[in-house]
Amino acid sequence: GQQVMQIPQYQHVQEGEDFTTYCNSSTTLSNIQWYKQRPGGHPVFLIQLVKSGEVKKQKRLTFQFGEAKKNSSLHITATQTTDVGTYFCAGGRNYQLIWGAGTKLIIKP
Amino acid sequence: EAGVVQSPRYKIIEKKQPVAFWCNPISGHNTLYWYRQNLGQGPELLIRYENEEAVDDSQLPKDRFSAERLKGVDSTLKIQPAELGDSAVYLCASSQGTASSYEQYFGPGTRLTVT
Repeated sequence: GQQVMQIPQYQHVQEGEDFTTYCNSSTTLSNIQWYKQRPGGHPVFLIQLVKSGEVKKQKRLTFQFGEAKKNSSLHITATQTTDVGTYFCAGGRNYQLIWGAGTKLIIKP
Repeated sequence: EAGVVQSPRYKIIEKKQPVAFWCNPISGHNTLYWYRQNLGQGPELLIRYENEEAVDDSQLPKDRFSAERLKGVDSTLKIQPAELGDSAVYLCASSQGTASSYEQYFGPGTRLTVT
């Protein structure tokens, strides 16, 4: 069936280290959205990418959409405790959003 | 602007009992979604409404789940009878349009525990 694979499932980092999560689809996506879910919270929209090869930045967050519109990444530079949570990608296809399983960002004490 | 409202926030029931969840979307949002989220997983779409019409209910287990959005505003999701495997967080979301390019706004969810 339709799937968007997201890796890794978890990433443990020291505060100040970088974090990256990747999404891959077997078919071309019309768009990709990224959401953040804090522990105990609900998904909150971060950004949308639509164009092939698009790169967008939000402060320490950098989002990329692949040239073939089949993959995407989110990179966080110099993580902070406020970045803790699960990051989901959701790929658009045929009026549907296909959700990845999320990558949980854990800051090591 | 008020966000998506859901109630109850928590529900504990015994298996075979019925349960209902209520959602009021953001004013003016024509599209409403019900998702189920299991621990450690992404949201799984159960049903999508455009106004009163259920336009995508392919993932809704119709033998025990039902939903309605009678006046195209608030919505109810029902499970009858509940099974142990239905324990999850049920999220309601809304958006201005139905295309995948619209940002979805989520409510706080209802955490269902079936014992």
